Order: sequence, then C-alpha cells, then structure tokens
Amino acid sequence: DSGVTQTPKHLITATGQRVTLRCSPRSGDLSVYWYQQSLDQGLQFLIQYYNGEERAKGNILERFSAQQFPDLHSELNLSSLELGDSALYFCASSVEGRNTDTQYFGPGTRLTVL
Amino acid sequence: GQNIDQPTEMTATEGAIVQINCTYQTSGFNGLFWYQQHAGEAPTFLSYNVLDGLEEKGRFSSFLSRSKGYSYLLLKELQMKDSASYLCAVSPLTSGTYKYIFGTGTRLKVLA
Repeated sequence: DSGVTQTPKHLITATGQRVTLRCSPRSGDLSVYWYQQSLDQGLQFLIQYYNGEERAKGNILERFSAQQFPDLHSELNLSSLELGDSALYFCASSVEGRNTDTQYFGPGTRLTVL
Repeated sequence: GQNIDQPTEMTATEGAIVQINCTYQTSGFNGLFWYQQHAGEAPTFLSYNVLDGLEEKGRFSSFLSRSKGYSYLLLKELQMKDSASYLCAVSPLTSGTYKYIFGTGTRLKVLA
C-alpha cells in the first residue's frame, strides 16, 4: 500500500458525460500527478500540481481539467467523454514534486465509457 | 525529441536471471527510475539511478550509463510473482517542468 488513495475504483459511464476522479496523496506529500494508461499503452503524463498550484502540463486534453485543494487532495475532471477515454487513471504523489523525487502511485480508477 | 525504448515482452524461467534493457533520448537527464506494475495494479517503485554504475537492492539491480543513454534492470533468482510489466522512466532536465517520461514497459513472463 503506497498511502495514495483514489476513488472510485471503477467508473462506468456513457459518451458525452462528465466524471470526477479523486485522489488523496500520501501524508506529507505536497505534489500530485495524474496519468492515463490505456490498454497496451505506457503511462501518459497528464498534469502535476504542487501545493495547490499547477506545476507541469503534459498531454492533457482541453476536455480534461484538474485542481489541487488546500487540503492537498486533487480531482481530475473529464468531460464530453469519448470511447477513447476508457483507461486506467492513476494519481501519484511525491514529497516536493522535483524531478528527482520518487513518485508513489495510487491504485487507479478504471474508467469505462460505453 | 524525447524517446524511451524497451523490449515489449520477455520470457524467462523460474530461478533464472533476466536483464531488461532501456535506452533513452531526452533533452537533458536528471535520473532514471524503474517501476514494477502487475496487470491492473499501480506501478511500484523499484530503483533510481542518477550516476553511472550499478545499484543493487536484493534480487534486483539497476545499471546506468549516461554517456550511452542506456540502463538495465537485472532480476536474479526469478520467482513466479516477478511476472509483471517493468517500466523505465526518465526525468529530463527541462526548465520549468517536472515530469517523468515513461517507456511503454516490458512485460515479463516467468515460467515454472
């Protein structure tokens, strides 16, 4: 158990809908990362937050947005969902969000868009 | 561009030794990570190399050559539970951004 929690574990929804994924980092970690992992694909970095501020952006679609709250939990919002958005979404956290920090991953949310 | 290459699949026998290679081309370099990921589960941290050489941790060792853009993960005394994907991730030295670039992973099957 990494100490990172994610809810829900599974989510099934329809195209065009909007969902929110939630992540709580390990105690003491200030930085949160979101990743998407599609079938047979590597982990694709989406976005990173550090202490409430956006720090880095990867291949995140405009339909997706995220934020980190004062209590350091983070939410990833996915809207106008398409079939291709079906994937595992992982949240990771690290102490300070530096390039050299080890990232600890949560168990993931499996999103299925029908 | 930024690129990481790993073999897609490898097969080895229980008790054997296997070496999983990773080559990378990134704009700058700030360290290389190896993660293990069982199917449908979260990646778990295995090792971090930033200097050239071999880092040993029990049955797992990781090697880095920065001049060659090359790393390998060495797994000894393979066990069935080692069947998993092994992800190589590089931290590039890019000003203003803090992120890893992950390879697509090497799926290792350990046979009895």
